Amino acid sequence: DAGVTQSPTHLIKTRGQQVTLRCSPKSGHDTVSWYQQALGQGPQFIFQYYEEEERQRGNFPDRFSGHQFPNYSSELNVNALLLGDSALYLCASARTGIYEQYFGPGTRLTVT
Amino acid sequence: AQKVTQAQTEISVVEKEDVTLDCVYETRDTTYYLFWYKQPPSGELVFLIRRNSFDEQNEISGRYSWNFQKSTSSFNFTITASQVVDSAVYFCALSEALANAGKSTFGDGTTLTVKP
Repeated sequence: DAGVTQSPTHLIKTRGQQVTLRCSPKSGHDTVSWYQQALGQGPQFIFQYYEEEERQRGNFPDRFSGHQFPNYSSELNVNALLLGDSALYLCASARTGIYEQYFGPGTRLTVT
Repeated sequence: AQKVTQAQTEISVVEKEDVTLDCVYETRDTTYYLFWYKQPPSGELVFLIRRNSFDEQNEISGRYSWNFQKSTSSFNFTITASQVVDSAVYFCALSEALANAGKSTFGDGTTLTVKP
């Protein structure tokens, strides 16, 4: 049983560019959440998707957007990248009503 | 607003020592969930335990134990007889109780180093 997978593993972008990160949830999970983890800090909640809709959102600007597909996989898009967007982006999946999130290995984004 | 505080930024112990990681939280919700995660150098967060706000019973799992005290809003984690493999960053997190696994608020983590 595959766990949560994310791609790519590492990514280097230039300021002003756009990036798309991908996440496949654990089998049987229908909820996907995205977190941003800056170096030396805890993960910060970006948003959560359920039934292909954004259900909750953290304190992140509209440059951060996402999508969930019918197979429950998800994408995180970040437009107009800033140096401060450099971080580890974690995807977590869960089954509705089950309060256990399983995290993927993350995508390390570096903005230069 | 929810908040999780892990006052210990770094802890260093010698193998076989016991170590306690502190976690203090703030929330206005009456129903919520508390978690501990382990993040090894590889970066992937590993789920350790979940506790809901109505269950203050302490739990022990092997060398790990957790002490939840609602009166002091604390959810502390103790590793008994620590081992080098326990070296990692440990995060405490708080989650709203919603039907679809509410968003989690994390502390800034405690870096535990266990020396041989």
